[in-house]
Formats: sequence, structure tokens, C-alpha cells
Amino acid sequence: AQSVSQHNHHVILSEAASLELGCNYSYGGTVNLFWYVQYPGQHLQLLLKYFSGDPLVKGIKGFEAEFIKSKFSFNLRKPSVQWSDTAEYFCAVIGGSGNTGKLIFGQGTTLQVKP
Amino acid sequence: NAGVTQTPKFRILKIGQSMTLQCTQDMNHNYMYWYRQDPGMGLKLIYYSVGAGITDKGEVPNGYNVSRSTTEDFPLRLELAAPSQTSVYFCASRQVGGRNTIYFGEGSWLTVV
Repeated sequence: AQSVSQHNHHVILSEAASLELGCNYSYGGTVNLFWYVQYPGQHLQLLLKYFSGDPLVKGIKGFEAEFIKSKFSFNLRKPSVQWSDTAEYFCAVIGGSGNTGKLIFGQGTTLQVKP
Repeated sequence: NAGVTQTPKFRILKIGQSMTLQCTQDMNHNYMYWYRQDPGMGLKLIYYSVGAGITDKGEVPNGYNVSRSTTEDFPLRLELAAPSQTSVYFCASRQVGGRNTIYFGEGSWLTVV
């Protein structure tokens, strides 16, 4: 079965610290990969996405992610976090063999940035 | 351009009652999805549809039903509400093709008491 795993459930950082959130998916074939952010009380917003090409993807708000096909990973990074980055972050995947269109999310990582 | 519209935003149900969460999109998207979001669990796919007349189960379909009679509408039905269905529900849609943006509704908060 298709699945997405986010290793860090709760991350606490101080402002200006670097961030890396892990994401692994369980199936092969062509995949489309996404990172979403959900600020408190709001709905999901797209941070970045990968479809093909350069495996290093840059998104909004200074976030980037690297697709490593051999590791089935799509980790999210930010060199220097801000207090306003406090939110929940979700990795999501479409595809795999057959590309059924099924969009599966990881369980999310809560990021708390201390001022 | 309304995007994805969900109704109602908030609802309290009694155990055993039934209700339908409505989802409509005005972008002529083929794919539509229903998710539930629970604390610490992320978004779990309930049902999805790849076009009118076609639906399929997601990760957590038990206790729910869907239909897709038109491209625009994808209602989610709870037949016998249970406390375990207390959650936030999100509808989403996207156009067929790998590079297309996924659009989410604003969510429906459901409490079963």
C-alpha cells in the first residue's frame, strides 16, 4: 500500500536555527511530491512541489526540498527559521506505479519556533 | 472564481444521525478528494474520484459514502454518525495531469456527541 512517513512529529527550534524535516514514501515509479504548511486555524497552503527535473526544488518563504529517488525521500529544509514559521508541515505524494491520482499525506510535523 | 467550496463549516451531530458534507468546485477538475484531519494523524484520505461516475476508497473509508454524479460535486455522506467521526474534513480537487495544483476547501468541523 502507498504510504508517506514523516519522521519528526514535533520539532522545537530557536529563531535563526536551520530546519530539516524528513519525508519518505513507500512506492516506486513516477511520483509527484509536495510540501504543505498549515498555520494555526488555517487551511493547507502549498510550500513547494516536485514533478520532474532538478531534484532541488525551491518554494515560498525561503523553503526548499530535495528529492532523492534512491532513498525515496523528499526532505524539507530552511537555512534560518523565523517565529512566523511556527506551523504544521505535511508531506504528500501522488503517483507510484499506475499513477491512480491518489494523493496521500504524511502524519505531519509540528514546528515550534521560539523567539 | 470560488475554487473549492465546502458546506457546512461547523456541525454538531448526535450519535446515529446522518448528514452530508457538500463539496463543489467550479474549475472543471477531474480529480476530487475527501480527507479527515485528526491531531497527530495528518490528513487521511477517505474517498477520491477521478471523474464523474467514478469513485474509489482511500485509507479510511469505513462509515462514509460518496457519489460523483457531476464533475462539480462530490458529497460525503455519514450514515450513522459515531464519536470517532469527530474531525475536520477537507475536500480537494485538481485537474488530471501530473503538474496541476491541488486546491483545498476551507474545511468542515464536525463534532459527534
